[in-house]
Amino acid sequence: EDKVVQSPLSLVVHEGDTVTLNCSYEVTNFRSLLWYKQEKKAPTFLFMLTSSGIEKKSGRLSSILDKKELFSILNITATQTGDSAIYLCAVGPTSGTYKYIFGTGTRLKVLA
Amino acid sequence: NAGVTQTPKFRILKIGQSMTLQCTQDMNHNYMYWYRQDPGMGLKLIYYSVGAGITDKGEVPNGYNVSRSTTEDFPLRLELAAPSQTSVYFCASNEVTEAFFGQGTRLTVV
Repeated sequence: EDKVVQSPLSLVVHEGDTVTLNCSYEVTNFRSLLWYKQEKKAPTFLFMLTSSGIEKKSGRLSSILDKKELFSILNITATQTGDSAIYLCAVGPTSGTYKYIFGTGTRLKVLA
Repeated sequence: NAGVTQTPKFRILKIGQSMTLQCTQDMNHNYMYWYRQDPGMGLKLIYYSVGAGITDKGEVPNGYNVSRSTTEDFPLRLELAAPSQTSVYFCASNEVTEAFFGQGTRLTVV
């Protein structure tokens, strides 16, 4: 059965801290892994990773994929209160479709 | 630049009532999805569609129905609402790249 597991489930840090969020997966016919940030409403897209070892960066956020270990991490440096959100990892497609399987998310709270 | 539009934004239903959640996208995407998100949880796939006239069940399809008569529209129907269907519902669409999400519908069944 395809699955995506994220850890930790929740995290509380102080502004300026660096955090690492984890995503492991087991899916058939892997094509890509996506990271989303969800604040109050709809998830917003952060990164798409398809190749092992190539880091994607956007400001203080970065992510990398290890296809051998079936694992990805999302790093946030110098955290700010605005980084408080649920971070979702999704893997797809599965079974030859463009269907994405989502993890349960990591709830990050950044304290001032 | 509408993207994915969902209506309504929120709704309260009584047990046994029915309703349709509307979803429209203007990006000409073939793939569309309905997810539900329970408090503190990730997204669970209810139904998806790979094109007009083609739909399939996801992880949690029981109690729901969908149709896809056009590329743009993918409504989700709840026939006999139950308290277990209290959730936030997201519609999404994509082609080859990342999925684009609607703003969600918060549904409460009482």
